[in-house]
Amino acid sequence: GAGVSQSPSNKVTEKGKDVELRCDPISGHTALYWYRQSLGQGLEFLIYFQGNSAPDKSGLPSDRFSAERTGGSVSTLTIQRTQQEDSAVYLCASSLVSSGEYEQYFGPGTRLTVT
Amino acid sequence: AQTVTQSQPEMSVQEAETVTLSCTYDTSESDYYLFWYKQPPSRQMILVIRQEAYKQQNATENRFSVNFQKAAKSFSLKISDSQLGDAAMYFCAYRSLSSNTGKLIFGQGTTLQVKP
Repeated sequence: GAGVSQSPSNKVTEKGKDVELRCDPISGHTALYWYRQSLGQGLEFLIYFQGNSAPDKSGLPSDRFSAERTGGSVSTLTIQRTQQEDSAVYLCASSLVSSGEYEQYFGPGTRLTVT
Repeated sequence: AQTVTQSQPEMSVQEAETVTLSCTYDTSESDYYLFWYKQPPSRQMILVIRQEAYKQQNATENRFSVNFQKAAKSFSLKISDSQLGDAAMYFCAYRSLSSNTGKLIFGQGTTLQVKP
């Protein structure tokens, strides 16, 4: 079956603009994660969704970052008033459930460049 | 809080030779999972191998094996008979079993170069 897909693959935006990044998880996966991969910070957790439960937003770096997951499937990560330090690769992953033994499957990521 | 450290930013190996990538972690938990992920230039993270902390036996997956030393909090990856396709960035990751989220905590990564 299809894996995790993300769009766009690359995004260049001007400082101060808003951007939306999309993630389509594997069908049937109830857990969805966003991670950020940047040169200075490495790979860091941003946010987690599990079914209809309240998301874990503990990794979001500022209130300019938000995410939603509609219908328990597609997720959108929104960054408002982008800054140059937001430049990074944003990775999405999904898992059947969030329990530790279940593998997280990653998408190819969106490379965001803020100029 | 748990942390993962990969002290080798870059490693190189000759094709067909063996290489070991190092990883140490810090945790106060007794049950957890450890992973090695491979990230080729395509950016897609691929699971290489997984180790459950309660298992004493080291995990193996074909040419990939780990040396899991729980007391030392060490989790190294050995790649045998290295192939050109093994060239990638490798990440060590920790996953708590007590956390509801199951989020992964990653090390900084090691870039592996395979020389023909």
